[in-house]
Amino acid sequence: RKEVEQDPGPFNVPEGATVAFNCTYSNSASQSFFWYRQDCRKEPKLLMSVYSSGNEDGRFTAQLNRASQYISLLIRDSKLSDSATYLCVASLNSGYSTLTFGKGTMLLVSP
Amino acid sequence: DAGVIQSPRHEVTEMGQEVTLRCKPISGHNSLFWYRQTMMRGLELLIYFNNNVPIDDSGMPEDRFSAKMPNASFSTLKIQPSEPRDSAVYFCASSLSNAGLSPDTQYFGPGTRLTVL
Repeated sequence: RKEVEQDPGPFNVPEGATVAFNCTYSNSASQSFFWYRQDCRKEPKLLMSVYSSGNEDGRFTAQLNRASQYISLLIRDSKLSDSATYLCVASLNSGYSTLTFGKGTMLLVSP
Repeated sequence: DAGVIQSPRHEVTEMGQEVTLRCKPISGHNSLFWYRQTMMRGLELLIYFNNNVPIDDSGMPEDRFSAKMPNASFSTLKIQPSEPRDSAVYFCASSLSNAGLSPDTQYFGPGTRLTVL
């Protein structure tokens, strides 16, 4: 079983829609969480960190539920430029910790 | 500032050949990561260096893969001999480590798309 699991999608939504992705992680010792964005045939880039209290960055809101071991990303007022694959990431955050990536959820925003 | 530089961007080779992928991390960064990405397995960490020292190579698939970091500004990932199942996109990433106090933002290079025929 992969440590970080995501629905691969694709999620097809019209411009202006609100869309939410969930991701689950299996290692309860994970401490830090992130969302990365990867455009087609490009490298992943950090979108935002995920904090226990939840955090918002413009149209993007990230939430963490430690009890259920899942992370969510909400995108409001979707833009065409939001079309990408969104990677959920977990880290043990201990010593020389490394990142564990999910396989990603593809979002396609249409006019 | 240039970002992480990788070369070549594309590599097509035949089974059995040696392949060398190169990475120049962001200047001042002290951690370097090699990843492999495929549709089937997603993004997998192969090896992680901190201050040029390999810290975790548990993701290296087998003895055919080797990685070096002779100095702070250069790393190589070598596959010898290459096999068709090695076909993937190989990313290098770097970060400025704060000694594990918290995960550091990793900056990825553009990747090398490897095809082994």
